[in-house]
Amino acid sequence: SAVISQKPSRDICQRGTSLTIQCQVDSQVTMMFWYRQQPGQSLTLIATANQGSEATYESGFVIDKFPISRPNLTFSTLTVSNMSPEDSSIYLCSALKRGDEQYFGPGTRLTVT
Amino acid sequence: DAKTTQPNSMESNEEEPVHLPCNHSTISGTDYIHWYRQLPSQGPEYVIHGLTSNVNNRMASLAIAEDRKSSTLILHRATLRDAAVYYCILRDVSGGSNYKLTFGKGTLLTVNP
Repeated sequence: SAVISQKPSRDICQRGTSLTIQCQVDSQVTMMFWYRQQPGQSLTLIATANQGSEATYESGFVIDKFPISRPNLTFSTLTVSNMSPEDSSIYLCSALKRGDEQYFGPGTRLTVT
Repeated sequence: DAKTTQPNSMESNEEEPVHLPCNHSTISGTDYIHWYRQLPSQGPEYVIHGLTSNVNNRMASLAIAEDRKSSTLILHRATLRDAAVYYCILRDVSGGSNYKLTFGKGTLLTVNP
């Protein structure tokens, strides 16, 4: 298994501001991902965080709104920019280990007022 | 990714076996069948995955139909801790390093004491 931590665990933010979420993995991993889980919904993939290059975004998500960094093989950040109440969600990071198993962090619960 | 169909919810009793079905009639030859579960207020957790043969691990068993159009996740003795949303996901391994997971709505499993 892998230990994945996220900071902060939750936050309440004002609209128009930005929040950066950190994801730390306990060992080096090749691939990391960021997901969003809106209230009562399933998970939606935002992007794949690539080490040393720009993240790969899924349809409906753009870099200006969700900039992602991946400075090394154990760490990534997701920023939610210019927030609106519609961005209120749980944001989760995951890491690929053991070839084909994804391990997920506990999530960051974001509320935008 | 090919689509999966799961019942919205299922109930079981503690210490009894649970069979969680998943239909994937449009599965392709390069689709692996993955199962994840999400306990309340936690990130998803890897359960098991397979391609054609039945698979067993310490958490569960995965039974795959001969035509691969359906599969069943088997929890041999349900405990209260197994109450979660169970996701059946197809992951296409063709095209190299595509490790993205597309989550559906899953099955909410309730375990009665």
